[in-house]
Amino acid sequence: GDSVTQMEGPVTLSEEAFLTINCTYTATGYPSLFWYVQYPGEGLQLLLKATKADDKGSNKGFEATYRKETTSFHLEKGSVQVSDSAVYFCALSAAGNQFYFGTGTSLTVIP
Amino acid sequence: SQTIHQWPATLVQPVGSPLSLECTVEGTSNPNLYWYRQAAGRGLQLLFYSVGIGQISSEVPQNLSASRPQDRQFILSSKKLLLSDSGFYLCAWSIARDRVKFQNYGYTFGSGTRLTVV
Repeated sequence: GDSVTQMEGPVTLSEEAFLTINCTYTATGYPSLFWYVQYPGEGLQLLLKATKADDKGSNKGFEATYRKETTSFHLEKGSVQVSDSAVYFCALSAAGNQFYFGTGTSLTVIP
Repeated sequence: SQTIHQWPATLVQPVGSPLSLECTVEGTSNPNLYWYRQAAGRGLQLLFYSVGIGQISSEVPQNLSASRPQDRQFILSSKKLLLSDSGFYLCAWSIARDRVKFQNYGYTFGSGTRLTVV
């Protein structure tokens, strides 16, 4: 069945460091891929998405490229800020009415 | 524009008491609606989803139930809470039935309810 495997955390980085959070997926058909962010005490917000192979989603300095050959959708940011501290969820949507979420990766950025 | 409202934001309830969490969506019709639970330090668990009024699919058998009395209203309930029901409950909606649009737009989540059962 469809699933998402996400890099386990927690991840702690210094401000301005480079961030990569790995995400790989298993899906039948052609899924859309998403990254959601959850700030402390809040619900999930859509961060970026990609709907087909080789698409690059980007928002707030974050980027992720839909790689069909490696079934991956890794999240990257060149220079993280303290305000980026949050939990990040990778997700996929294939046929049907459901999303499949990764287990979440907690990121803490220290000044 | 579409908005999703979820309340209450926090709730402390004794074991054995009933529960009712409400979620409403504005600005759209015939949405798919979802209830997720996020236990402390863990990922998201899909509890229920609904594709229409009175249509509820349960993903995990447990102490909870869901109802959809109106098109844009989704209610999560329990007759008797357990300690293990503590967690962060999230409601979400998505565009329904059109697979292409669903895949493009994704979910929109409410702000969540933090439930502590004591």
